[in-house]
Amino acid sequence: GQQLNQSPQSMFIQEGEDVSMNCTSSSIFNTWLWYKQDPGEGPVLLIALYKAGELTSNGRLTAQFGITRKDSFLNISASIPSDVGIYFCAGHMNYGGSQGNLIFGKGTKLSVKP
Amino acid sequence: DTGVSQDPRHKITKRGQNVTFRCDPISEHNRLYWYRQTLGQGPEFLTYFQNEAQLEKSRLLSDRFSAERPKGSFSTLEIQRTEQGDSAMYLCASSESGRDNNEQFFGPGTRLTVL
Repeated sequence: GQQLNQSPQSMFIQEGEDVSMNCTSSSIFNTWLWYKQDPGEGPVLLIALYKAGELTSNGRLTAQFGITRKDSFLNISASIPSDVGIYFCAGHMNYGGSQGNLIFGKGTKLSVKP
Repeated sequence: DTGVSQDPRHKITKRGQNVTFRCDPISEHNRLYWYRQTLGQGPEFLTYFQNEAQLEKSRLLSDRFSAERPKGSFSTLEIQRTEQGDSAMYLCASSESGRDNNEQFFGPGTRLTVL
């Protein structure tokens, strides 16, 4: 089945640093989404991307839909303590019999540097 | 609060018992999805409704699992004869219809523990 490779698996941040994570796939997607999940809660939608090459911002977050439609990245600028959590990429395709489901990566866990 | 709600938030049951979870989507959303999430993994798709019609089911949805959305509003997910491997977070999401709208909004989840 389709898989999304998300990297890095985990990273430590210091307040004020910029953070970057990415997601790659062997399949083409027509939508990329980025979610953040806090412990014990459901994922919260951060950014949705619909066109190859699209660059979209949401406050300090910026995400891009790769030209090949097989990858996406998320940047967080000037990180703050509440950015800690797990970030998931998710892809959607409207073909191959799949109408509804999102395919998720395994997540990037952001923690505060000790 | 007009977001997706799920009930209960936590459920502990003994192996072999049946459990049922409820999801109330965002009111104007006619698409509803169920996902399962285990520790260290992203959510995995289980099934999808458009209004009351169940349009897609994953191979993960074994015969012991059944989902309904009888009036096109809330949905229930039932697991019969639970097994320890069913322990997971069960997430519900909803979205508006529309070919290009794939923005799914998630509820807080139901954490199931099977002893």
